[in-house]
Amino acid sequence: DQQVKQNSPSLSVQEGRISILNCDYTNSMFDYFLWYKKYPAEGPTFLISISSIKDKNEDGRFTVFLNKSAKHLSLHIVPSQPGDSAVYFCAASGSGNTGKLIFGQGTTLQVKP
Amino acid sequence: GAGVSQTPSNKVTEKGKYVELRCDPISGHTALYWYRQSLGQGPEFLIYFQGTGAADDSGLPNDRFFAVRPEGSVSTLKIQRTERGDSAVYLCASSPRRNTEAFFGQGTRLTVV
Repeated sequence: DQQVKQNSPSLSVQEGRISILNCDYTNSMFDYFLWYKKYPAEGPTFLISISSIKDKNEDGRFTVFLNKSAKHLSLHIVPSQPGDSAVYFCAASGSGNTGKLIFGQGTTLQVKP
Repeated sequence: GAGVSQTPSNKVTEKGKYVELRCDPISGHTALYWYRQSLGQGPEFLIYFQGTGAADDSGLPNDRFFAVRPEGSVSTLKIQRTERGDSAVYLCASSPRRNTEAFFGQGTRLTVV
């Protein structure tokens, strides 16, 4: 039972363009969502998060959008840079629990110069 | 460095042997998590510590897996009678409190041959 799904295993974009990574979830009890970036042989690095009371959070080139009715979130990277090439994971946690994160399978982003 | 430190970075062991994986969290972080990541998948929750106690061990796959955090800082994940299916990257993360972003270590790659 995959509660957090990233249906696109990979994405390729041109440098300077927008990258949009998508994530769907099934558990309506999730109230905190995060995006992590992972380079090979390193642990995941926190990028940006959003609480369920918001529908948008922006940090520099990174913006996360949350659509609770559709149980969907997305990460926008504008403009994309070659250094953004990595695996991106979305994760979710629910109120009242331990704060454990449920991760999606990841999307590999390649930004071409 | 002030990040989460995991040792060893790589561990090769024979089927049936016992292994211990160590995690040094960020100083002052009370929450500590263990995750396991298999190839092509997102990290999968194993266990959560709040202080010294295991507040949620629902992700441990079976009773061969055990983790401790005796003084509320360093944690050790212990795997008895290892099986080839235990081969994965084991990730540790810490956070100052639950429901905030977790900071990950670089992981321990365990290979059971």
